[in-house]
Amino acid sequence: AQSVTQLGSHVSVSEGALVLLRCNYSSSVPPYLFWYVQYPNQGLQLLLKYTTGATLVKGINGFEAEFKKSETSFHLTKPSAHMSDAAEYFCAVSGSGGSYIPTFGRGTSLIVHP
Amino acid sequence: EAQVTQNPRYLITVTGKKLTVTCSQNMNHEYMSWYRQDPGLGLRQIYYSMNVEVTDKGDVPEGYKVSRKEKRNFPLILESPSPNQTSLYFCASSSLTGNNSPLHFGNGTRLTVT
Repeated sequence: AQSVTQLGSHVSVSEGALVLLRCNYSSSVPPYLFWYVQYPNQGLQLLLKYTTGATLVKGINGFEAEFKKSETSFHLTKPSAHMSDAAEYFCAVSGSGGSYIPTFGRGTSLIVHP
Repeated sequence: EAQVTQNPRYLITVTGKKLTVTCSQNMNHEYMSWYRQDPGLGLRQIYYSMNVEVTDKGDVPEGYKVSRKEKRNFPLILESPSPNQTSLYFCASSSLTGNNSPLHFGNGTRLTVT
């Protein structure tokens, strides 16, 4: 079985501050991990993904995430928040039991203050 | 342009009146899925399909039906909608080239059942 926990349903930062969105997973096999972003009134779009190889993954819009197997984590970071980063962010895991079907976390709403 | 198209974007209906939400993808993807998104609950999978004529229940299938007669289309049918089905619905698709294939989402259908 696989599961995802996103710590914090809301995260609030000031423009220019570091963004850190937390994601912990459980999986019986080496996981495939994803971060998706949902802007207001839109569907989800892929931000970045980890499959194998380099544990630091770079995505779009300056975001990156680091796969830490020992901590079963895949936290999303961005050095400097922009107002346009305000959105809902979802972490997802797939691969357990040979399943293609991803399991999503409950999402974290990022609020950026001027 | 590669995309997943859902229609309608907004729908208001009354209890018991059958409705269909259409979903179409132009990427020749084998896998398609329906999710509902509710505040505090994240994304919950309703039904999914691994290929034409192959459908399976997700986590919350009660009150919904789907069909997959063609590869590109995956309509969601509510035979007798109830107020607890008021939600934001997303259709998604993916190729089955591996567990690291990301999902492509439509822009959502906001359904209100009164």
